[in-house]
Amino acid sequence: NAGVMQNPRHLVRRRGQEARLRCSPMKGHSHVYWYRQLPEEGLKFMVYLQKENIIDESGMPKERFSAEFPKEGPSILRIQQVVRGDSAAYFCASSPSWGAAHEQYFGPGTRLTVT
Amino acid sequence: GDSVTQMEGPVTLSEEAFLTINCTYTATGYPSLFWYVQYPGEGLQLLLKATKADDKGSNKGFEATYRKETTSFHLEKGSVQVSDSAVYFCALNRLGGSEKLVFGKGTKLTVNP
Repeated sequence: NAGVMQNPRHLVRRRGQEARLRCSPMKGHSHVYWYRQLPEEGLKFMVYLQKENIIDESGMPKERFSAEFPKEGPSILRIQQVVRGDSAAYFCASSPSWGAAHEQYFGPGTRLTVT
Repeated sequence: GDSVTQMEGPVTLSEEAFLTINCTYTATGYPSLFWYVQYPGEGLQLLLKATKADDKGSNKGFEATYRKETTSFHLEKGSVQVSDSAVYFCALNRLGGSEKLVFGKGTKLTVNP
């Protein structure tokens, strides 16, 4: 069973460009979470999605950031008009069901660098 | 809101030394508690978890006990190896909290031969 897949692994964007980060959850998992890790910091929750639904986006910046998890295909985290402060590692996690005890399985991350 | 506090790093130990990384939490209700490990350039891997008070999670020689009275979940290992060098994150989630994980800042461990 393949793990959580993220691509690209490394992404370089100039200020003002758009960044699209993709996440394919583990087979059979219908819950996807996005987290951001700033240098020397822990991971911060951004958004929780199920197929075609955003369940909790309380950690998403109000502007420029959006996320989707369509019926078919990977989950996408989109950052418009990137700024230097968006440089970070973005991790996707998936789980098979809801409930606090369910483990979240993490992908390898996408490291975004804004120049 | 929910929060996790873990001891500041970095921690440097010699091989076969005893390891303790402290973790305390603040949360309403009954959270589940986790330790994740991150090796350089990789994503996080679940190391162990505990879902209720007095549960002990264990894996690969690591242990942590869910202490509700002290709101703690300290990570311990009796004899560390060079291959244990990584960043360790304490985390919690809880029902009603949309299952999102709340992480501590991480503790970097370096084990020297």
